Amino acid sequence: DAGITQSPRHKVTETGTPVTLRCHQTENHRYMYWYRQDPGHGLRLIHYSYGVKDTDKGEVSDGYSVSRSKTEDFLLTLESATSSQTSVYFCAISRQDSNQPQHFGDGTRLSIL
Amino acid sequence: GQQVMQIPQYQHVQEGEDFTTYCNSSTTLSNIQWYKQRPGGHPVFLIQLVKSGEVKKQKRLTFQFGEAKKNSSLHITATQTTDVGTYFCYGQNFVFGPGTRLSVLP
Repeated sequence: DAGITQSPRHKVTETGTPVTLRCHQTENHRYMYWYRQDPGHGLRLIHYSYGVKDTDKGEVSDGYSVSRSKTEDFLLTLESATSSQTSVYFCAISRQDSNQPQHFGDGTRLSIL
Repeated sequence: GQQVMQIPQYQHVQEGEDFTTYCNSSTTLSNIQWYKQRPGGHPVFLIQLVKSGEVKKQKRLTFQFGEAKKNSSLHITATQTTDVGTYFCYGQNFVFGPGTRLSVLP
């Protein structure tokens, strides 16, 4: 598997608290993505990055922000978590563009009570 | 926007039976990718098809890309319990199909 590490792997938190998920890659891939996966909805793109400090919104970006200050790190922040953001979050990377194969991290299971 | 559909949503087969999942896009694709996700795991890239009418094989798995580049299929011959999981297609513009969940009964 590609060198992608997501942290934390599991988190339980309360409504209204800020949460940051981290994705770290050792592949020097240009593109990085954050998806959420929910029963009945499949994989949905939250945000993606096409370079350091270059990010764009995905299908379900409301309530989320991202930052990419280094090639290897892509952070996803929930400023004020809500129960509807309970989900499994996957980070993915691809080499040059979004039409190239994506390699996924192991995921973060986030529960917001 | 682009829509990607997959059928069936679920498939239960007896070990040794064949399995096919179909992916249909509302728009013409430059390429199509297939992924597999085991229960509790993460999606894993299987293959990418680029050419119209392309057929690729990986052991018991056969992938096809339609002539119009709007549909694709994944066929598994003689399923095994290791084939259990959800199979997703990916077209472009960050849109994954909803997946087909395969159960294999031993």
